[in-house]
Amino acid sequence: GESVGLHLPTLSVQEGDNSIINCAYSNSASDYFIWYKQESGKGPQFIIDIRSNMDKRQGQRVTVLLNKTVKHLSLQIAATQPGDSAVYFCAENIGNSGYALNFGKGTSLLVTP
Amino acid sequence: EAGVTQSPTHLIKTRGQQATLRCSPISGHTSVYWYQQALGLGLQFLLWYDEGEERNRGNFPPRFSGRQFPNYSSELNVNALELEDSALYLCASSDGRGSEGYTFGSGTRLTVV
Repeated sequence: GESVGLHLPTLSVQEGDNSIINCAYSNSASDYFIWYKQESGKGPQFIIDIRSNMDKRQGQRVTVLLNKTVKHLSLQIAATQPGDSAVYFCAENIGNSGYALNFGKGTSLLVTP
Repeated sequence: EAGVTQSPTHLIKTRGQQATLRCSPISGHTSVYWYQQALGLGLQFLLWYDEGEERNRGNFPPRFSGRQFPNYSSELNVNALELEDSALYLCASSDGRGSEGYTFGSGTRLTVV
């Protein structure tokens, strides 16, 4: 079965609000996680990553939180903009496969004006 | 710099036929990864090629195969096509320096009728 999954298939937020997208994983040996954004008709685009020796990492308007105790990670987007509307995937490194990744099913984020 | 390019963008085949999909990595990237993204699902890892060799494969039957050429471009071949093979096939290339250097193409949409 799938080891990386997302709690909600869709999320609707108002422009300017903060967004939180959640992801659960089942493999306690996973040591590297990445968030991707996929817009319609395009391939996934890297947003931010985090290693298992960290519990928080910040980028530009985005923060990833990792809770290894409950095997959960989240992506927080500050001041969500219409251009943030996309499908968001969490992914984990498969291991022994270079940078091959195991992806969750995705959360569709819709930003309304 | 040109990104990862995939061809064709769309491909329609009949059940039982063979499909060939192509990927050109970013210049200087030696690793190529193939993924299948069925409608409404996350990406499933298919194959990893590095320096011309198949390094690992995901949980797919042997009729999914491919190769990497000396210029690091890659082909994915799907034999004896089944209706369930209809999906977006994504290629990613890597410079081996982590996820920020891991870039996806826009994919080939394969439809099996």
